[in-house]
Amino acid sequence: QSVLTQPPSVSGAPGQRVTISCIGSSSNIGAGYDVHWYQHLPGTAPQLLIYGNINRPSGVPDRFSASKSGTSASLAITGLQAEDEADYYCQSYDSSLSVVLFGGGTKLTVL
Amino acid sequence: QVHLVESGGGVVQPGRSLRLSCAASGFTFSNYGFHWVRQAPGKGLEWVSIIFYDDSQKHYADSVKGRFVMSRDNSKNVVYLQMDSLRAEDTAIYYCARDRGHWTRGTSSFDYWGQGTLVTVSS
Repeated sequence: QSVLTQPPSVSGAPGQRVTISCIGSSSNIGAGYDVHWYQHLPGTAPQLLIYGNINRPSGVPDRFSASKSGTSASLAITGLQAEDEADYYCQSYDSSLSVVLFGGGTKLTVL
Repeated sequence: QVHLVESGGGVVQPGRSLRLSCAASGFTFSNYGFHWVRQAPGKGLEWVSIIFYDDSQKHYADSVKGRFVMSRDNSKNVVYLQMDSLRAEDTAIYYCARDRGHWTRGTSSFDYWGQGTLVTVSS
């Protein structure tokens, strides 16, 4: 079980909005460490979607946004498209474990 | 254009060793730290190790500490992962990733990844 907890799956119809939560604790997200988000299509390299809690790298559509509050963070995807179907991971640092942590991953299905 | 290309994966028996390589191009290699991240079959991403830009520090996940060693050659733009005493649970795709943040500030994130190399530990 991951220290960063994500829902195993979410789904939405094309054009809809979905959110993916990432729940941490006082030694990682709650301690103020940045949360980052990745999109991963099986068989390909993971892609950085969001860094530093809210920032999009160049080339990432503004349909992707994220927020952080307290010991949790969330990723929002608006205007769902078929190509968004992938696994999504949150990532942070944990000061008590002194490691980088990934959430367990969330599989997004576009209906 | 940033490229990371992993190599060295394969099938190996439990207890044996393997060395992975990650060749980088398209940027100033010596300015960046690098990580190895793995994904076991049907599982999520798991962070494995980091090496600082200047080779001054290395850190490892508990699951590989004492068995895996990360190194780098700044003259060849290559990062390595020496994996000893391999176990079945080390079976995974191993990705090399560039750090866009700073480990000491807890801001490490991965802005470029390789395509991965598959390691299978089986008798």
